[in-house]
Amino acid sequence: GDSVTQMEGPVTLSEEAFLTINCTYTATGYPSLFWYVQYPGEGLQLLLKATKADDKGSNKGFEATYRKETTSFHLEKGSVQVSDSAVYFCALPLAGGFKTIFGAGTRLFVKA
Amino acid sequence: DTAVSQTPKYLVTQMGNDKSIKCEQNLGHDTMYWYKQDSKKFLKIMFSYNNKELIINETVPNRFSPKSPDKAHLNLHINSLELGDSAVYFCASSSPSGRAVYEQYFGPGTRLTVT
Repeated sequence: GDSVTQMEGPVTLSEEAFLTINCTYTATGYPSLFWYVQYPGEGLQLLLKATKADDKGSNKGFEATYRKETTSFHLEKGSVQVSDSAVYFCALPLAGGFKTIFGAGTRLFVKA
Repeated sequence: DTAVSQTPKYLVTQMGNDKSIKCEQNLGHDTMYWYKQDSKKFLKIMFSYNNKELIINETVPNRFSPKSPDKAHLNLHINSLELGDSAVYFCASSSPSGRAVYEQYFGPGTRLTVT
């Protein structure tokens, strides 16, 4: 069935380090893909998105490329900041958008 | 102006009680959702409503009863609360339409603690 697999956390990095959070998916067709971020004590908010193969979504220095051949949508950032500490969710909308499957979430800690 | 709001933010209650959580969105969206997030941050959809009609019910126990009086509101009533219902409940809204990119907007969450 449809699924999203995300790398397990927590991930602990020093400020200015490079970040990669892996995400792979299983789905029929070519769905849109999303990354959401949840800061402590808050709801999720959209970080970036891609609607078709080879699309690159980007926002706030984060990037992710929709790779159809590897069914992946890995999140990257070249230089993390303490303020990036949060939980990151890869998401796969299904059923015409009425149902979204979220990955298990990856908690990121960035140390000063 | 808050886009998606939920009340209350915190709810502490005893087993067996009945409680409700309210959600309102002012984004003009057609679809609203309820999610449950457990202590490990795992997020699972419970219900989705489109134009006040139930679209998705993810095998949630029938102690949980959503109600949508209009497109802007989706409330969640929980009967006979159990310890396992302790979680953070999020409301969200969006407007899915074909291939359009339909991001969801989330409320701040309601932390329910059942003792």
